[in-house]
Amino acid sequence: GENVEQHPSTLSVQEGDSAVIKCTYSDSASNYFPWYKQELGKRPQLIIDIRSNVGEKKDQRIAVTLNKTAKHFSLHITETQPEDSAVYFCAPYSGAGSYQLTFGKGTKLSVIP
Amino acid sequence: GAVVSQHPSWVICKSGTSVKIECRSLDFQATTMFWYRQFPKQSLMLMATSNEGSKATYEQGVEKDKFLINHASLTLSTLTVTSAHPEDSSFYICSARLAGGRGELFFGEGSRLTVL
Repeated sequence: GENVEQHPSTLSVQEGDSAVIKCTYSDSASNYFPWYKQELGKRPQLIIDIRSNVGEKKDQRIAVTLNKTAKHFSLHITETQPEDSAVYFCAPYSGAGSYQLTFGKGTKLSVIP
Repeated sequence: GAVVSQHPSWVICKSGTSVKIECRSLDFQATTMFWYRQFPKQSLMLMATSNEGSKATYEQGVEKDKFLINHASLTLSTLTVTSAHPEDSSFYICSARLAGGRGELFFGEGSRLTVL
């Protein structure tokens, strides 16, 4: 199965600074790379995703970059705000047909006002 | 976007009893749903893949006789925790894939189970 590692496990940044979270995976056949944001006690929400035929995708303050050769993809949040504080999970797609996701261990992001 | 509803949100039960959690796709049909368990400060761990009209596929280490999954219709999957024990206390979350979409998963609100 897919082996997913996510770094760092915790990240504190000053409001307005940028945050970067990296996810490495083992299955070279993976072709779908989403990032989820989970606030305490709530459901994970998809914030951005990228497919293997694209190297970078941006949505306002959030971007994802993919390096298929090195088998890692990263979440970039610019101009961080207190409401960005949450746990972020990467979940590369590791199976065929059913879109069974393997979640990373998560990164707790704290944005300090 | 697609909506997945989970019920109940909170449940407290006595040790030895069974608890049923429902996961519904409200505005789309889901041939496949997934059940996860999340312990405090940990990631989501896939328990099983629920397929409409067939038996669920369980992940290694998950007891299929303890965690009964039924996916009787294209919009409803249920997870029954049988003979619950305190160590089963956790946050249970379901998700469903939007067929024909980009393939993203939509998650239910989650169910917090506390076994006394």
